Amino acid sequence: QLQLRESGPGLVKPSQTLSLTCAISGDSVSSNSAVWHWIRQSPSRGLEWLGRIYYRSNWYYNYAVSLSSRMTINPDTSMNQFSLDLDSVTPEDTAVYFCTRGDAGSWAFGYWGQGALVTVSS
Amino acid sequence: QTVVTQEPSFSVSPGETVTLTCGLSSGSVSTIHHPSWYQQSPGQPPRTLIYTTNIRSSGVPDRFSGSIVGNKAALTITGAQADDESDYYCVLYMGSGIWVFGGGTKLTVL
Repeated sequence: QLQLRESGPGLVKPSQTLSLTCAISGDSVSSNSAVWHWIRQSPSRGLEWLGRIYYRSNWYYNYAVSLSSRMTINPDTSMNQFSLDLDSVTPEDTAVYFCTRGDAGSWAFGYWGQGALVTVSS
Repeated sequence: QTVVTQEPSFSVSPGETVTLTCGLSSGSVSTIHHPSWYQQSPGQPPRTLIYTTNIRSSGVPDRFSGSIVGNKAALTITGAQADDESDYYCVLYMGSGIWVFGGGTKLTVL
């Protein structure tokens, strides 16, 4: 049974870096049939796709255009997890952050973590 | 910037059929956008209902169906039930590894 669990600080100060980790159980971050995404949700912005990584003999990355200059997603094969770093945060980045898994070829987000609330405030 | 449009709210009576739509601010939605649909209850992560236009996710009742209607993706609930009252989101694949969510539809069943 696939499980995803987000973890990280619940409070980040403005201008600092938001860092979250998604721990995977029941699958491998290096799976050739999986795609791993970060998605966030806030009352003001709704659901917002942030980016994805996947492994197909090499690692591939895609980021939302509006956030690509501030965001990095990285795999950690030793811990079977992947991470999100978002630089120079503002209160607008306050949201519930979800990690998700999609099947290659499904173009969708089949499995979701429970989400982690991150508040940006001084 | 491309905006994915959904009805902000919709109301349906129990047992009736309702169709929620997912469009583009510019252009038409087609199968190349691989539309998918999600249901979300308060305090819960979204649940996948439909992917790749019309494929039901495992365990989803067959009263939920997806299609392309005109220039939009559509989610049809045939015989709405009280526990279908939720928020519904569509997401479109825009190419180049980019997805965009719609703003969601709040469905009321009464």
